Amino acid sequence: GENVEQHPSTLSVQEGDSAVIKCTYSDSASNYFPWYKQELGKRPQLIIDIRSNVGEKKDQRIAVTLNKTAKHFSLHITETQPEDSAVYFCAASNGNTGNQFYFGTGTSLTVIP
Amino acid sequence: GAVVSQHPSRVICKSGTSVKIECRSLDFQATTMFWYRQFPKQSLMLMATSNEGSKATYEQGVEKDKFLINHASLTLSTLTVTSAHPEDSSFYICSASTETNEKLFFGSGTQLSVL
Repeated sequence: GENVEQHPSTLSVQEGDSAVIKCTYSDSASNYFPWYKQELGKRPQLIIDIRSNVGEKKDQRIAVTLNKTAKHFSLHITETQPEDSAVYFCAASNGNTGNQFYFGTGTSLTVIP
Repeated sequence: GAVVSQHPSRVICKSGTSVKIECRSLDFQATTMFWYRQFPKQSLMLMATSNEGSKATYEQGVEKDKFLINHASLTLSTLTVTSAHPEDSSFYICSASTETNEKLFFGSGTQLSVL
């Protein structure tokens, strides 16, 4: 089955700096890669996603890049703000309705004011 | 985006009692729902995949008689923790995928504390 690894497990950045979180996956059949943000005690929220036919996607301060050959994808947050502090999870699936999503172990991001 | 409602948000119960958690897709039909368990500062651990009208598929190591899942309709799945014990205390989250695409949306979670 699919194995998703995520690094780093914790990340601290100064407000205004950029943050990068990286994930790797093992199953070449995976073709959909969402990123979730989870604040303490709350539900994970989908913040951005990318499909395997695209190499990069951007939404304001958030961007995701995908290297399908190397089987890794990354989340980039620019101009970080204190409200970006949360746990971020990457995931991978093969995109079929009802198919399993495989999650990374999470990255706890702290943005220092 | 699609809305998934989960109730209750928090429950405290005595050891030996059973607790039912509901997960509803409010504005879409969810053929498949997923149940996760999450320990503090850890990732989501998939417990089972719930398909409407059929038996749930449990992950290895998850006791099906302990965690009863019922997916009776396209908008409702329930997880019942039977004879709960303190070690069952955890944050339980459901999710559902929409019928038209593969995106996954999460319920708000249930914090279960067993005394």
